[in-house]
Amino acid sequence: NAGVTQTPKFQVLKTGQSMTLQCAQDMNHEYMSWYRQDPGMGLRLIHYSVGAGITDQGEVPNGYNVSRSTTEDFPLRLLSAAPSQTSVYFCAAKEGGTSYEQYFGPGTRLTVT
Amino acid sequence: GEDVEQSLFLSVREGDSSVINCTYTDSSSTYLYWYKQEPGAGLQLLTYIFSNMDMKQDQRLTVLLNKKDKHLSLRIADTQTGDSAIYFCAESITSSASKIIFGSGTRLSIRP
Repeated sequence: NAGVTQTPKFQVLKTGQSMTLQCAQDMNHEYMSWYRQDPGMGLRLIHYSVGAGITDQGEVPNGYNVSRSTTEDFPLRLLSAAPSQTSVYFCAAKEGGTSYEQYFGPGTRLTVT
Repeated sequence: GEDVEQSLFLSVREGDSSVINCTYTDSSSTYLYWYKQEPGAGLQLLTYIFSNMDMKQDQRLTVLLNKKDKHLSLRIADTQTGDSAIYFCAESITSSASKIIFGSGTRLSIRP
């Protein structure tokens, strides 16, 4: 049982490039989320999903797309990378209903030059 | 809007108690959480409190919730060097069960 996995661990992009950050979970949890972590700003919610086929925007969705075709996978796409997207990205999964615990992946450190 | 605030730094002497404070805005939050992040790692759930509770104790950790003032605190008794980390306060937003809003984190450092 691996929990929440993220790939890659590190990535450097040039401005304007696109890429997809991968996130997978093997816990069969309904809810999945993407956060970005910037110094002094905590974690900010980018997008989240309450189940396969359903996604919604968080606090800072601009410049990012998501899809949820399966329960297990929740990829985050950067359409045209900008230096402001340099950050550490965390994916998380949570059971549905009244479950309280959200499980986090190890993070992807992204640098955009 | 939804907001969680906490101070950025706290320094305590080893063996003393640490108290990390947090304020939140959503008065109808279901759960309030404390997460711990060690250097280079993801977030680990430390403890949580349901919104109808005032206090929760778990070994060296004590969580106090004042719903009237929307104030949450985490007390770590007998602080050890292994407690050095960033501590995040977070609240669940009842309008969306999967939405959890985090504070900016408090960096706890331990003096010998």
